[in-house]
Amino acid sequence: GENVEQHPSTLSVQEGDSAVIKCTYSDSASNYFPWYKQELGKRPQLIIDIRSNVGEKKDQRIAVTLNKTAKHFSLHITETQPEDSAVYFCAASMNRDDKIIFGKGTRLHILP
Amino acid sequence: GAVVSQHPSRVICKSGTSVKIECRSLDFQATTMFWYRQFPKQSLMLMATSNEGSKATYEQGVEKDKFLINHASLTLSTLTVTSAHPEDSSFYICSAMAGYTGELFFGEGSRLTVL
Repeated sequence: GENVEQHPSTLSVQEGDSAVIKCTYSDSASNYFPWYKQELGKRPQLIIDIRSNVGEKKDQRIAVTLNKTAKHFSLHITETQPEDSAVYFCAASMNRDDKIIFGKGTRLHILP
Repeated sequence: GAVVSQHPSRVICKSGTSVKIECRSLDFQATTMFWYRQFPKQSLMLMATSNEGSKATYEQGVEKDKFLINHASLTLSTLTVTSAHPEDSSFYICSAMAGYTGELFFGEGSRLTVL
């Protein structure tokens, strides 16, 4: 089955700097890659997603890139702010109706 | 966006008792719902996929008889932890897939503490 690896597990970034979280997946049939943000004690919230027919997607300060050949996708957050501090999960699934497999998460700390 | 409601948010029970957690999609129909377990500071571990009107599909290592899942309608799925033990204490989260977009919406989660 699908396996999603996520790095780093913890990331500290100075406020205003950029943060990058990287994920790899094992099943080349996967074609949907969402990213979730989970604040302490709260439910995960979808922040951005990408499908395998595009290589990059951007939404304001957040962008995701996908390299299908390398089976690698990344989350980029620019001009980080204190409210960006949270745990971020990448995920992958084979199609819209299939189960989503999550990475282990990255705890992002934005330093003042 | 779509709303998924999960109830109860917190439950404390004695060992040996059963606990039911409900997951409702409030403004959309969800033919597929998922149940996850999350340990402190860890990722979401998929327990099972719940399909309306059919038996749930459990992930390897998840006991079907211990974690009973029912998806009787397009807006409701339930997870029953039977004969709960302290090791079942965890944060359980459901999610529902919106058929029109495939996007996943999460419930608020239920923190189960078994004494």
